[in-house]
Amino acid sequence: GQQLNQSPQSMFIQEGEDVSMNCTSSSIFNTWLWYKQDPGEGPVLLIALYKAGELTSNGRLTAQFGITRKDSFLNISASIPSDVGIYFCAGRRINTGTASKLTFGTGTRLQVTL
Amino acid sequence: EPEVTQTPSHQVTQMGQEVILRCVPISNHLYFYWYRQILGQKVEFLVSFYNNEISEKSEIFDDQFSVERPDGSNFTLKIRSTKLEDSAMYFCASSGGMDEQFFGPGTRLTVL
Repeated sequence: GQQLNQSPQSMFIQEGEDVSMNCTSSSIFNTWLWYKQDPGEGPVLLIALYKAGELTSNGRLTAQFGITRKDSFLNISASIPSDVGIYFCAGRRINTGTASKLTFGTGTRLQVTL
Repeated sequence: EPEVTQTPSHQVTQMGQEVILRCVPISNHLYFYWYRQILGQKVEFLVSFYNNEISEKSEIFDDQFSVERPDGSNFTLKIRSTKLEDSAMYFCASSGGMDEQFFGPGTRLTVL
């Protein structure tokens, strides 16, 4: 099946630092989504990307859809304590007229120290 | 802001019992999904639903699982005879079209 690998698996950073994480796949996806999950809660959508090469920002977050359509990157600038959580990438192949599933990555656990 | 809701937040059941997990998707959405997440692992797709029928299902979604949209607002996942390995967080999601999927807060299912 399709596998999405995220790196790093986990990271400790200092408050104020910038963060980069990425997601790679052996398969092509039409859409890339980035979600954040806090303990015991559901994934919350952060950014959606629809075209190869697309660069999209949401506040301090910036994500890019890789040119090969097999990868995506998420950057967080000037991290704050509430950025703590697990970040998941998710890829989707669009099947017209049907509900297309998301394939989730393995997750990057972010911990921020003051 | 509209959101996906799920009930119950936590369900404890005995092995072999039937459980029904309930979801109310965002009201104008047409596409509905169930995912599960075993503790400490990634989110896994179970089933998608559109136009009153299953669009796609994963290998996990065997004959013990079923979904239903009994009325205009609810979307349910039934597990007929629960197994220990069904213990997980179950997430419902919905989308308005070929776009983002929004997730509910989840139901934690514990099978004893």
